[in-house]
Amino acid sequence: NAGVTQTPKFRILKIGQSMTLQCAQDMNHNYMYWYRQDPGMGLKLIYYSVGAGITDKGEVPNGYNVSRSTTEDFPLRLELAAPSQTSVYFCASRLTSGGTGELFFGEGSRLTVL
Amino acid sequence: RKEVEQDPGPFNVPEGATVAFNCTYSNSASQSFFWYRQDCRKEPKLLMSVYSSGNEDGRFTAQLNRASQYISLLIRDSKLSDSATYLCVVTISGAGSYQLTFGKGTKLSVIP
Repeated sequence: NAGVTQTPKFRILKIGQSMTLQCAQDMNHNYMYWYRQDPGMGLKLIYYSVGAGITDKGEVPNGYNVSRSTTEDFPLRLELAAPSQTSVYFCASRLTSGGTGELFFGEGSRLTVL
Repeated sequence: RKEVEQDPGPFNVPEGATVAFNCTYSNSASQSFFWYRQDCRKEPKLLMSVYSSGNEDGRFTAQLNRASQYISLLIRDSKLSDSATYLCVVTISGAGSYQLTFGKGTKLSVIP
């Protein structure tokens, strides 16, 4: 059972470079999320999706873009990387939007922008 | 006032001790409540949901007080393996139910 898979696990970028963080889940979950976690801080929602073809901004969307062409995949695109985007990025998914639906996380992608 | 606030850590407790964490939330429309556990440099994982009547899972007890807008987590007979950061998570039903709001977490270190 793979669950939520993120790649890459580690990446170093130069200022101004772009990259895509990949996220895939095999649980047929409708809801998918991208969070960032800075040291000593809580998780901040970047973007989320409630199903294929539907995405929306979270709390901190600037500098990022997402797409959801399939139920399984939810890639996060960083355009023109900046040092402020140095963080740990977590992709997550859940089956339902409310109630007791558990949020399943990937192992995280650690990004450093120099 | 922040949406979800947690006790500042770290909590350093000896093995076998009982420790309690509190979490307050600002939105009275909050509907669902959870405690997640995050080990160092790992992803968060669900520890337990929090129900209105309170609930227990082994050594862990979660309580919800809607009137005062706080939830709590009690850990009895602490084990070394309980050392982690505990995240309080709150969701709001309706248009905002797609999003979960996380507290910054409370770090627990259980000492031999």
